[in-house]
Amino acid sequence: AQKVTQAQTEISVVEKEDVTLDCVYETRDTTYYLFWYKQPPSGELVFLIRRNSFDEQNEISGRYSWNFQKSTSSFNFTITASQVVDSAVYFCALSLFSGGYNKLIFGAGTRLAVHP
Amino acid sequence: DSGVTQTPKHLITATGQRVTLRCSPRSGDLSVYWYQQSLDQGLQFLIQYYNGEERAKGNILERFSAQQFPDLHSELNLSSLELGDSALYFCASSLTHWGSEAFFGQGTRLTVV
Repeated sequence: AQKVTQAQTEISVVEKEDVTLDCVYETRDTTYYLFWYKQPPSGELVFLIRRNSFDEQNEISGRYSWNFQKSTSSFNFTITASQVVDSAVYFCALSLFSGGYNKLIFGAGTRLAVHP
Repeated sequence: DSGVTQTPKHLITATGQRVTLRCSPRSGDLSVYWYQQSLDQGLQFLIQYYNGEERAKGNILERFSAQQFPDLHSELNLSSLELGDSALYFCASSLTHWGSEAFFGQGTRLTVV
């Protein structure tokens, strides 16, 4: 079965704290993509990052970094020095090649609240 | 701005009615997807079109249908609406049918009363 688990339902931090959002996925496919999306209070879904199953290199983009570990089927997201504007729901998603289509399987999301 | 346009932004309708949601993908994107976001089900994949052809179906009810037109815009038709159909409906587009990132529109919030 294909599944994405975001065990943290809600996280609350104070500004400037570092925070890590966990994502664990399940698939038997060897070829897949992983994504993170942000959903701010305004409601739209904003693409953050894509990673394919053959690229385990970690990535850093400003205050954001992602740690992909196939051995533990995890694709965790860290925000360094969090800011109030980071308050949002964050979704991890899995895209499988099976059938050659791009069906995104989303986790339940983690609601991050950053307080001043 | 993702470049994906959805109309209308809000829709309130009565049970039993039929509505049409419209989506214009990003320029150059050939693939269009529809997702439903509700409190109890989360984000659920409904259907995907690629260059006018249906490519994949997810948890889409028989009362729902979609199509992608030659100009690549897409419409999602919801009929015989029930209270439980109230949700945020997202359209997304991507360049290819698999692998490329999907960019989402702002969604259409449907309220069935």
